[in-house]
Amino acid sequence: KAGVTQTPRYLIKTRGQQVTLSCSPISGHRSVSWYQQTPGQGLQFLFEYFSETQRNKGNFPGRFSGRQFSNSRSEMNVSTLELGDSALYLCASSLMTSGDSEQFFGPGTRLTVL
Amino acid sequence: GENVEQHPSTLSVQEGDSAVIKCTYSDSASNYFPWYKQELGKRPQLIIDIRSNVGEKKDQRIAVTLNKTAKHFSLHITETQPEDSAVYFCAADQNTGNQFYFGTGTSLTVIP
Repeated sequence: KAGVTQTPRYLIKTRGQQVTLSCSPISGHRSVSWYQQTPGQGLQFLFEYFSETQRNKGNFPGRFSGRQFSNSRSEMNVSTLELGDSALYLCASSLMTSGDSEQFFGPGTRLTVL
Repeated sequence: GENVEQHPSTLSVQEGDSAVIKCTYSDSASNYFPWYKQELGKRPQLIIDIRSNVGEKKDQRIAVTLNKTAKHFSLHITETQPEDSAVYFCAADQNTGNQFYFGTGTSLTVIP
């Protein structure tokens, strides 16, 4: 099976712009979670989608949003970009829905905000 | 919400020695504790996990222990090798969906 894929791999944006990142989960996985990884904060949970519904949400401002499509692919959007949004954005998919199972990570999208 | 603390932030060991990384969590509802290894420039990958109904789990040179009463769990790597050098993250999950709370990571360096 193909692993989790994310596009694009690298992005450079300027403050105030908006950005959309895409994640394709492993075939058959219906749960997709998003994380922000920064050197100082580690991996922080953004949100999780299952069957096109957001089930959980982390402590991020409303500028961060996401959605999931019927084929389980997911997108996240960040509006009005700030310098502090520069990070590696990782998505992860899981076969199980209960939360006590492995999440498989994608390679990430490296976002740089200038 | 859950808060996971991880120590140490950096760890250097000689090849062949053991390495221990410790994590504590705050919410007694957490019941799944995975450990991920992230090599430089690569995605995190699961190396071992433990559920709250188990006290210890081993997989070759890697073991994890869980103390539910004290709310802490530890990763033990024996006979370390240079390829064990990476950043290791612990996490906790509350079985409410796939929402992991991660520690801040431990950068392990194995010196040949």
